[in-house]
Amino acid sequence: AQTVTQSQPEMSVQEAETVTLSCTYDTSESDYYLFWYKQPPSRQMILVIRQEAYKQQNATENRFSVNFQKAAKSFSLKISDSQLGDAAMYFCAFSNTGNQFYFGTGTSLTVIP
Amino acid sequence: NAGVTQTPKFRVLKTGQSMTLLCAQDMNHEYMYWYRQDPGMGLRLIHYSVGEGTTAKGEVPDGYNVSRLKKQNFLLGLESAAPSQTSVYFCATEKNPQSSYNEQFFGPGTRLTVL
Repeated sequence: AQTVTQSQPEMSVQEAETVTLSCTYDTSESDYYLFWYKQPPSRQMILVIRQEAYKQQNATENRFSVNFQKAAKSFSLKISDSQLGDAAMYFCAFSNTGNQFYFGTGTSLTVIP
Repeated sequence: NAGVTQTPKFRVLKTGQSMTLLCAQDMNHEYMYWYRQDPGMGLRLIHYSVGEGTTAKGEVPDGYNVSRLKKQNFLLGLESAAPSQTSVYFCATEKNPQSSYNEQFFGPGTRLTVL
């Protein structure tokens, strides 16, 4: 069974600073996808970034980047130049090549002005 | 395009009442999912569908039923609501997990309270 663990229930960061959110997962599969979703107070789930397991290069989307360590089964999200609009709940998710996603329990990020 | 919509956005039920949540999508996606979100527990899969006329159980299916009579709609039913079903319910769609692009698109959620 696949499991996704986010060990940081809450994190905070000063505006303009950098913060890293942690995620680990457990799987026996070699081909899979990893995601970070953002859920602001509006509740709408928004995809932030995705990573294919077969790609060694870490994914980057503007101020968001990941550190994907396949051997360690680690997938952390780095947010650079944090903005007030980044305040949200962040969920790490795993998907195999089948038809189910597995989500972590989330990390609540507060951005301090 | 509306994307993924959910009806209703809020609902309060009494224990034992029944209701149906509607998820509609205009993206022609094959796969549809129902999740529930509870504090400290992330999203948990209730049921899902891999195509019109098919449904399957997820992680927490008890107390819920689903139907996918049309490709664009996925209904979640509660036959006899219980306080333990108080939650926020999310619908999601996915084009096709076997495709090269793999992402779930979410609706805005339905907040359900069972008294």
